[in-house]
Amino acid sequence: DAGITQSPRHKVTETGTPVTLRCHQTENHRYMYWYRQDPGHGLRLIHYSYGVKDTDKGEVSDGYSVSRSKTEDFLLTLESATSSQTSVYFCAISDLGKGQARINYEQYFGPGTRLTVT
Amino acid sequence: QKEVEQNSGPLSVPEGAIASLNCTYSDRGSQSFFWYRQYSGKSPELIMFIYSNGDKEDGRFTAQLNKASQYVSLLIRDSQPSDSATYLCAALLTGGGNKLTFGTGTQLKVEL
Repeated sequence: DAGITQSPRHKVTETGTPVTLRCHQTENHRYMYWYRQDPGHGLRLIHYSYGVKDTDKGEVSDGYSVSRSKTEDFLLTLESATSSQTSVYFCAISDLGKGQARINYEQYFGPGTRLTVT
Repeated sequence: QKEVEQNSGPLSVPEGAIASLNCTYSDRGSQSFFWYRQYSGKSPELIMFIYSNGDKEDGRFTAQLNKASQYVSLLIRDSQPSDSATYLCAALLTGGGNKLTFGTGTQLKVEL
């Protein structure tokens, strides 16, 4: 398994409270991603990072912010949690592809965090 | 229209049969495609990737890519009950960032 951990694994919080999820990798991969997974929508990209302090928005970034101060850590913050942010959150990592083509860019996923906002 | 489309299933096949999972994509510029397997309550696990037209085989799995028709498929030979899971198709987006876009997945059930 790729060395990716997420914390916490489960969290229940109240509407309006801030929440921070952590993703930690030991693979020294350049790229890190945060996704949410909801029934009927599949995996949707929230934010991603292409290096330390380099981040960009994904498909569903409203209400979320991220930070990456070290290669190994990527934090996802919900500034003021809402019930619509109840979901399973996955972190993923990837690096440049191998070989001459260097276009494969496979991503590997962490175990996930189940977040419930009441 | 989602960029990657999959039938949600469930697709039911008997044990030992070939399971065929299909995926279509809309971005003609997409270069690489990925198949992930996800068991209930678990994270997606990479099975295969493909970026050249044609077939790519890995054990019981074969990925097929047809860029002209914009479809990707995954064949699972000699299906086993342990193959029962949701299979996610993903395409590498153009425009940088090493980003993938995922289909909503096809649920596969392999019956005894």
